[in-house]
Amino acid sequence: SQQGEEDPQALSIQEGENATMNCSYKTSINNLQWYRQNSGRGLVHLILIRSNEREKHSGRLRVTLDTSKKSSSLLITASRAADTASYFCATDGGTSYGKLTFGQGTILTVHP
Amino acid sequence: ETGVTQTPRHLVMGMTNKKSLKCEQHLGHNAMYWYKQSAKKPLELMFVYSLEERVENNSVPSRFSPECPNSSHLFLHLHTLQPEDSALYLCASSRSDGLGYTFGSGTRLTVV
Repeated sequence: SQQGEEDPQALSIQEGENATMNCSYKTSINNLQWYRQNSGRGLVHLILIRSNEREKHSGRLRVTLDTSKKSSSLLITASRAADTASYFCATDGGTSYGKLTFGQGTILTVHP
Repeated sequence: ETGVTQTPRHLVMGMTNKKSLKCEQHLGHNAMYWYKQSAKKPLELMFVYSLEERVENNSVPSRFSPECPNSSHLFLHLHTLQPEDSALYLCASSRSDGLGYTFGSGTRLTVV
């Protein structure tokens, strides 16, 4: 069954605005990760937040995690046209090896 | 260049052909993965190799056959595929504890 589900499915904003994407999941996790994918290319790891963390920052990215609600959000501040991409959350359920379960993604379009 | 290299980038094959996808990583990782990304569907985990042993096979049809000869190389052998197998096939590697996930740029496969 699908673990992570992103919301919204698509987001269109103007350059300079903030973009917020949400992710919900169903089972317990070790960590939650966010990835970015430019059209038809591989995924690029953005940030990882562990289950015992509530908030994490990296440059213009801010990720929050609420394990009681089984949800996470990714905030991109001061967006740029180059941020246009699909964004995915992925959960690591804690197998002895890495096994990520991905959501369907949010397509972000930033207009110049 | 992410450190995970996939070849070829694009592949068009007939339903009776046999072809192979190749993935190579030089990150010192011990786990490697094949994912399938179809339009409008979440990334689907196909196979996981940890320390060169297949540890997961997510009900993938036998027309897909993985091979992991060493911790740096992963292959996906394809034969008698169907048009619905057309997709972006992504390889990834990670540390054996699942951290440091890194994706390749993918192989865009079209079955005609």
